[in-house]
Amino acid sequence: GESVGLHLPTLSVQEGDNSIINCAYSNSASDYFIWYKQESGKGPQFIIDIRSNMDKRQGQRVTVLLNKTVKHLSLQIAATQPGDSAVYFCAERGGGGNKLTFGTGTQLKVEL
Amino acid sequence: DTAVSQTPKYLVTQMGNDKSIKCEQNLGHDTMYWYKQDSKKFLKIMFSYNNKELIINETVPNRFSPKSPDKAHLNLHINSLELGDSAVYFCASSPLAGSGYTFGSGTRLTVV
Repeated sequence: GESVGLHLPTLSVQEGDNSIINCAYSNSASDYFIWYKQESGKGPQFIIDIRSNMDKRQGQRVTVLLNKTVKHLSLQIAATQPGDSAVYFCAERGGGGNKLTFGTGTQLKVEL
Repeated sequence: DTAVSQTPKYLVTQMGNDKSIKCEQNLGHDTMYWYKQDSKKFLKIMFSYNNKELIINETVPNRFSPKSPDKAHLNLHINSLELGDSAVYFCASSPLAGSGYTFGSGTRLTVV
């Protein structure tokens, strides 16, 4: 399944399926992007990052894709598990900037 | 050992009171931040300190005053609390300004 992470939508997927969470950013000068996972009652946790000179980066079960032409970032989670249920945030850093600006998040729910 | 620790975890107080939230990191990071997360999960930066010096001060009421006694600590004092201050406040740190953050577990502030 897919969703656009602009208004805290909910993405529901079946356990074992792949999840795709999308994020649009507005600053064409942004040079660094990160995906965070926030479980209920906890702080956001780093998942994976990507610099603007790359268009794809893979981690364990996660892949981040960056399309600078349309200012779009996506997080793909392979074989989604119940423990993946959380709110996912994309964050960007403006070129040469000193802070991360967060998107509004997407709630991922994994159905058994 | 908790990398970024905040106290208290929960804070319930009456309007008009003054309260403080404390944050400590043992990661040796130079930069620390305060973010506010509202009821819709939106994360917005408030302040950032780099090696005890204020480098980011977003549009935040003067009632909020950060203090960094050393680079491992960043506290947040709030005067004359208002209902709209109710939120979850997250402390974070990073090795360099704008690089990947490590977040604390948050302080849920409820003003009644």
